Amino acid sequence: EAGVAQSPRYKIIEKRQSVAFWCNPISGHATLYWYQQILGQGPKLLIQFQNNGVVDDSQLPKDRFSAERLKGVDSTLKIQPAKLEDSAVYLCASSLSDSSYNEQFFGPGTRLTVL
Amino acid sequence: GQQLNQSPQSMFIQEGEDVSMNCTSSSIFNTWLWYKQDPGEGPVLLIALYKAGELTSNGRLTAQFGITRKDSFLNISASIPSDVGIYFCAGLSGGSNYKLTFGKGTLLTVNP
Repeated sequence: EAGVAQSPRYKIIEKRQSVAFWCNPISGHATLYWYQQILGQGPKLLIQFQNNGVVDDSQLPKDRFSAERLKGVDSTLKIQPAKLEDSAVYLCASSLSDSSYNEQFFGPGTRLTVL
Repeated sequence: GQQLNQSPQSMFIQEGEDVSMNCTSSSIFNTWLWYKQDPGEGPVLLIALYKAGELTSNGRLTAQFGITRKDSFLNISASIPSDVGIYFCAGLSGGSNYKLTFGKGTLLTVNP
């Protein structure tokens, strides 16, 4: 079974530029998560989708970050404009559903460097 | 928000040694999880603990869910070089969505 796919794996941009990340979850997984992992820290949840609806985006900096999952499968996370402090690894994870605890499976992440 | 205090921050041990790390919280969690993250990869679940007092093993790994539901520890016995990586504890809170809160991680280095 294929795991969670993410692209690109690495991205370097200058501050104030825009960037987008893509995630393809495990087939059949209804719940999709985006996490931000700053160097030396654990992952922090940015947004959680159940199918194509947002369940939790309380920690998403909505003035610059946006995410969508239009057809309930793939998802994109966008940052516009980027700041230096956005340098981090952006992890996507998926699970079967959020109606009870189901294991979250993580992708390899996209490492973003903002110069 | 909820915070997890994970210690130690890093460990450097010899192959064959046992290692222990722990996690404490000011809040109660319903489930404790332990993950391992290799360089350039996402975290992978090692052990899940669902009940206070529960002691669970997975090969050379043993983890316990504290009685107070505010702490957990992970032990690795007879370490080998492939145990190198960052180990994270995570607490799962219930409610309308099952949200994970991660500790800051323990970096384990094993000297062959």
